[in-house]
Amino acid sequence: GNSVTQMEGPVTLSEEAFLTINCTYTATGYPSLFWYVQYPGEGLQLLLKATKADDKGSNKGFEATYRKETTSFHLEKGSVQVSDSAVYFCALSDRGNDYKLSFGAGTTVTVRA
Amino acid sequence: DAGVIQSPRHEVTEMGQEVTLRCKPISGHNSLFWYRQTMMRGLELLIYFNNNVPIDDSGMPEDRFSAKMPNASFSTLKIQPSEPRDSAVYFCASSSDLSGGQETQYFGPGTRLLVL
Repeated sequence: GNSVTQMEGPVTLSEEAFLTINCTYTATGYPSLFWYVQYPGEGLQLLLKATKADDKGSNKGFEATYRKETTSFHLEKGSVQVSDSAVYFCALSDRGNDYKLSFGAGTTVTVRA
Repeated sequence: DAGVIQSPRHEVTEMGQEVTLRCKPISGHNSLFWYRQTMMRGLELLIYFNNNVPIDDSGMPEDRFSAKMPNASFSTLKIQPSEPRDSAVYFCASSSDLSGGQETQYFGPGTRLLVL
């Protein structure tokens, strides 16, 4: 079956620090990969996505590259801000699971001023 | 676009009472999903609909939970009777189509349910 494993948190950083959240996946088919973000008290929002190998998704300074050879989709940002404090979820969907999203456990990121 | 709308945003009820959560998907979206989020279990997919038809309800925890989608613009998730272990945040999400697997799911703000 499908599964997503992401780096356990919580992660605490200072402003302008570099952020990496690791994500690896197991899928029966050829999945699409997503990063969702959940700000305090809100629902999840799509941050970025990639639908085929070597694609790079990017948004708001965040990037993630679909690596089929290592089954990974690590999230990175070069210089975080306090407003990036949130919970980040890695997710995948594929035909083998009727395109249902499979989520990782989420990583809580806190950025201090 | 108003996004996915959920009501109520907060619900406090007593054990044994019926709880009904409501969702209005984004206009034009034909897939709708109900999720539950807890600290212990994370995000769980409860049920999803495509073109108002329930496709997979394998995530529904037990018979106390039921979901309906009478038309393309409205869905309900009902818990009867409610129990303290049902306390969670319930999210509704919608997307434009299931085919291809590339479609983004758009989440509502959630309903925070507390069962005393």
